[in-house]
Parts: sequence; structure tokens; C-alpha cells
Amino acid sequence: AQTVTQSQPEMSVQEAETVTLSCTYDTSESDYYLFWYKQPPSRQMILVIRQEAYKQQNATENRFSVNFQKAAKSFSLKISDSQLGDAAMYFCAYRRNNNAGNMLTFGGGTRLMVKP
Amino acid sequence: NAGVTQTPKFQVLKTGQSMTLQCAQDMNHEYMSWYRQDPGMGLRLIHYSVGAGITDQGEVPNGYNVSRSTTEDFPLRLLSAAPSQTSVYFCASTPAGGNSPLHFGNGTRLTVT
Repeated sequence: AQTVTQSQPEMSVQEAETVTLSCTYDTSESDYYLFWYKQPPSRQMILVIRQEAYKQQNATENRFSVNFQKAAKSFSLKISDSQLGDAAMYFCAYRRNNNAGNMLTFGGGTRLMVKP
Repeated sequence: NAGVTQTPKFQVLKTGQSMTLQCAQDMNHEYMSWYRQDPGMGLRLIHYSVGAGITDQGEVPNGYNVSRSTTEDFPLRLLSAAPSQTSVYFCASTPAGGNSPLHFGNGTRLTVT
């Protein structure tokens, strides 16, 4: 079974600075997808960024980028120019390809605090 | 286009009571699923469905039933609530195949006393 580990229960960053959230996963599959979701206090689950394992290029979405290291099974999220609105829980998630139901396996989450 | 709608937003039950959490999506997605979120454990899959009439168990199915009579609806039934079922419940939907992300409802916070 796949597992996803987020080793940082809490992180803190100063507004306008950069922070990196860590995620490692364990799988024997070679074809899969990885996701980062943001959960603000409203409880809503918001997709931040996704990465296909077959792509070597790291995904980017505006201020959010990932460092995908397939051999190391590592998938970290970098947030640049942090804003107060980035404060939230962040979940890393894994999905095997050809997965009936498109189910996700989630990490335990990292709470990000942004200091003004 | 409302997306994924969950009701109720909050619920308090006594041990042994039963209830149904409702989930509806209007995006014609084939796949639907239920997750529960407990502190420090992320989200865990309870049950999922790949289409009307087809359901299967996830990681933590005990104490829950589901059915999928239409593409749009995927209710989650708690047969006899227990304090261990105190959690936040999320319904999600997604099109079949590819790297389509899950679309989540806004969650139901359930407390069992």
C-alpha cells in the first residue's frame, strides 16, 4: 500500500519570504500523480498544484512550485512571496494511475502560519 | 453549476443514532468518494463509487454504508453512530481517468456524544 508522509506538522514563514513544505511517499508504481491541496480555516479543500510522475519538469502555478525527485520519492512545495492568505493546512496526496475511482492517499498535513 | 454539495454542514448525534450525510454533484462526474478527516491523520477513504450502481470499500469502511442509485448522488449512512466516528466528512467527485483532480464538497462536521 502507498503511504504519504509529511514530516513537518507546523511551519512558520514571514510575509513576503519563501517557505518549503516537505512530502515523501512510498510506492512501487512508476506511473502516478502527486497533488498539493490547501485547506484554509473555512475547511474547503483547494487544489494548489499537481505533478505527473512521467514529467521531469517541475510543475509551477504562479507563486507555487514543486521540487519533484522521483528517485528519492520526494515532492516538496515551495511558496514564494508568502502572503497572509497562504496560512492554511497543506496536504500532499498521491494517486496511482489507472486507479478506478481516482482515489487519493493523503499525508497527515502541515499547518502553515504566516507572520505579518 | 454548484459543484459538490454536502448537507448538513454540522451534526451532533447521540451514540447509537443513525443518520445519512448527503452528497450531490452536478458536473456529471463518474467517480465519487467519501473521506473522513481526523486531526493529524489527513483524509482517509471510506467508500467510493465508479458509477451508478457500483460501490466499493476504502481504507476505513466499518460502520458506514453507501449506495449510488444515480450519477449525481452518493449518500453516506451511519448505521449506529459511535464516538469514534466524530470527524469531518468530505465528499468528492472527479471525471474518470487522467490527472483530473478531486472536486471536494465543503465538509460535514459530525460529533457523536
